[in-house]
Amino acid sequence: NAGVMQNPRHLVRRRGQEARLRCSPMKGHSHVYWYRQLPEEGLKFMVYLQKENIIDESGMPKERFSAEFPKEGPSILRIQQVVRGDSAAYFCASSRTSGELNNEQFFGPGTRLTVL
Amino acid sequence: GQQLNQSPQSMFIQEGEDVSMNCTSSSIFNTWLWYKQDPGEGPVLLIALYKAGELTSNGRLTAQFGITRKDSFLNISASIPSDVGIYFCAGQSGGSNYKLTFGKGTLLTVNP
Repeated sequence: NAGVMQNPRHLVRRRGQEARLRCSPMKGHSHVYWYRQLPEEGLKFMVYLQKENIIDESGMPKERFSAEFPKEGPSILRIQQVVRGDSAAYFCASSRTSGELNNEQFFGPGTRLTVL
Repeated sequence: GQQLNQSPQSMFIQEGEDVSMNCTSSSIFNTWLWYKQDPGEGPVLLIALYKAGELTSNGRLTAQFGITRKDSFLNISASIPSDVGIYFCAGQSGGSNYKLTFGKGTLLTVNP
């Protein structure tokens, strides 16, 4: 029973390039969340998606960042024109529901983005 | 926004010792969760707490959801070297029940 899959595990980009991070949720999970972790910090919520819908993107920067979870395929977090401050670990989590029961979020191994 | 204060920031203990860490918040949470993160990996869920006052165990781990809904603690008994890692508390509040707010973590080092 595969867990949450993320790729790539490490991504190096130069300033101004685009970064695309992919996440496949656990089998049977239709709720996906993205979090960002800066060094020596806790994770910070970015966005919550269901299939073909962005439910809450209140934690996502207004510019350069976008997320999608298409009907088929993985969820994608896209960062355009990356800057050094975007360097961080980006984690995806999934859950079976978002209600009061069975809403435990299980995390993937993360993508570590380094912007040169 | 909501913030969780997690303490201690780091701990150095001998193998076999018990350890305790806690989280406090100025606002109420409906759910408290404890995660462990190993270097280069994602957080792994250890214990989930859903009711105020709830005390839950998972092997050598015990966690409690504070009566005021503003705090939680995690105890690890008889620590072993593989307990090394960063432990995070996280809370979910009503309204946006899905959104996890994380503490800054407790770095645990166990000396064999």
